[in-house]
Amino acid sequence: KAGVTQTPRYLIKTRGQQVTLSCSPISGHRSVSWYQQTPGQGLQFLFEYFSETQRNKGNFPGRFSGRQFSNSRSEMNVSTLELGDSALYLCASSAGTGDGGYTFGSGTRLTVV
Amino acid sequence: QKEVEQNSGPLSVPEGAIASLNCTYSDRGSQSFFWYRQYSGKSPELIMFIYSNGDKEDGRFTAQLNKASQYVSLLIRDSQPSDSATYLCAASGSARQLTFGSGTQLTVLP
Repeated sequence: KAGVTQTPRYLIKTRGQQVTLSCSPISGHRSVSWYQQTPGQGLQFLFEYFSETQRNKGNFPGRFSGRQFSNSRSEMNVSTLELGDSALYLCASSAGTGDGGYTFGSGTRLTVV
Repeated sequence: QKEVEQNSGPLSVPEGAIASLNCTYSDRGSQSFFWYRQYSGKSPELIMFIYSNGDKEDGRFTAQLNKASQYVSLLIRDSQPSDSATYLCAASGSARQLTFGSGTQLTVLP
C-alpha cells in the first residue's frame, strides 16, 4: 500500500513569489491535513480537507490556502512568500472518521530567500 | 490556548533500559492521543495512538493515558540505539486537528 506522497521534496523561492505544494494521500483516505514545522514553533496545524471541503483551519494568515480534488489529492498554496515561511511543510493522511492515526508524508522543505 | 506540554529533555538512557516520556495536555475536550517518532531530517512516524484510560501495549512500546490528570506517557522497554530520535506527543479533539508538543529528544547510549 503506497504511503503519502508529497511533491516537490525541496523548493527554493524568492520573497514575494508564490508556491504550490502537492500531497497525495494513502489510497482510500479522504482526509488530508497540512502542518508547518519550524525549529522555533514546532509542528503547527494549517488546515484539513475532507471530501473536497475544508473542515478546519489553523491560525495562519490568508496567504496560506489549500484545496482538495475529487481523488483526495490536495494542494497547498502560499502567496507573497516571506522569509518566515521557510519551513518543512507536512501533509498527513487519515480516513477522516476519527479512528486511527494520521500518516505523514516525507514533507516539502521550502526555503525562502 | 490549547497546549500540549512535554518534558523537553534531552533524555539519555543506556541501551536495554526503559525510557519514559511524558506529556500533559490542557484541553479536556481532547479525545485521542498520539505518539510520533521523528528522526533528524525525516517526517514524523506514528508509533501508537490511545483513546481510553489505561495502558496500551505494542511490542516494546506502552502508552498510558490518564484523562483525569490530563497526562499521557510512552514507555520504551529494552531501548535500542535505533530508538534515538525526537518523540512528539499530540492530542486531537472533535476538530480532528493534531496539537503537538515541542518534542523530547531521546538518546540511547550503546
